[in-house]
Amino acid sequence: EAQVTQNPRYLITVTGKKLTVTCSQNMNHEYMSWYRQDPGLGLRQIYYSMNVEVTDKGDVPEGYKVSRKEKRNFPLILESPSPNQTSLYFCASSPNSGGGLKFTDTQYFGPGTRLTVL
Amino acid sequence: LAKTTQPISMDSYEGQEVNITCSHNNIATNDYITWYQQFPSQGPRFIIQGYKTKVTNEVASLFIPADRKSSTLSLPRVSLSDTAVYYCLVRIIFGSGTRLSIRP
Repeated sequence: EAQVTQNPRYLITVTGKKLTVTCSQNMNHEYMSWYRQDPGLGLRQIYYSMNVEVTDKGDVPEGYKVSRKEKRNFPLILESPSPNQTSLYFCASSPNSGGGLKFTDTQYFGPGTRLTVL
Repeated sequence: LAKTTQPISMDSYEGQEVNITCSHNNIATNDYITWYQQFPSQGPRFIIQGYKTKVTNEVASLFIPADRKSSTLSLPRVSLSDTAVYYCLVRIIFGSGTRLSIRP
């Protein structure tokens, strides 16, 4: 089954304790992205990746890191989480033929990770 | 990048047709318009996409006027299970979405 998976689905942690949220897709998609969703603010893009070893900042990258060592995986790293990073996080992937995200490409979203930073 | 504006919320009843309009005044020539649906605690799911005029699939229709500065998502004969948040996108920028509530 074609899907985007995220782990963990729920996480409660404390300020400053490094954490990683994993994202994996089995559709051989080139483009992957992380979003956070907060009440009243919709989905905001954190980072995205056009392909392996190619990553770039989205709208709200501060406090986050990502890596893309393999095509299928795109982990989100919070080196020193703070309470303002408490949010619902979504990973997404999209087919990307011919370089650059074609704006007709549909994004496939994971189930979400609910993170609470105390 | 083009920003989208949608109503914050809408209410309707089962069996009715629902139309949600999205404004995107700064849409670029090569931009497509995409709509997603999101249920609570789930990731957004693609509904429909179009460039101009009208697009229809098994779930919805999308109407785009000639100037492409707005678009309307039309859901025919809604049911309770259509209660969700609907997002209009130009390129990859999500707006705040429209919370659609369907009543019996």
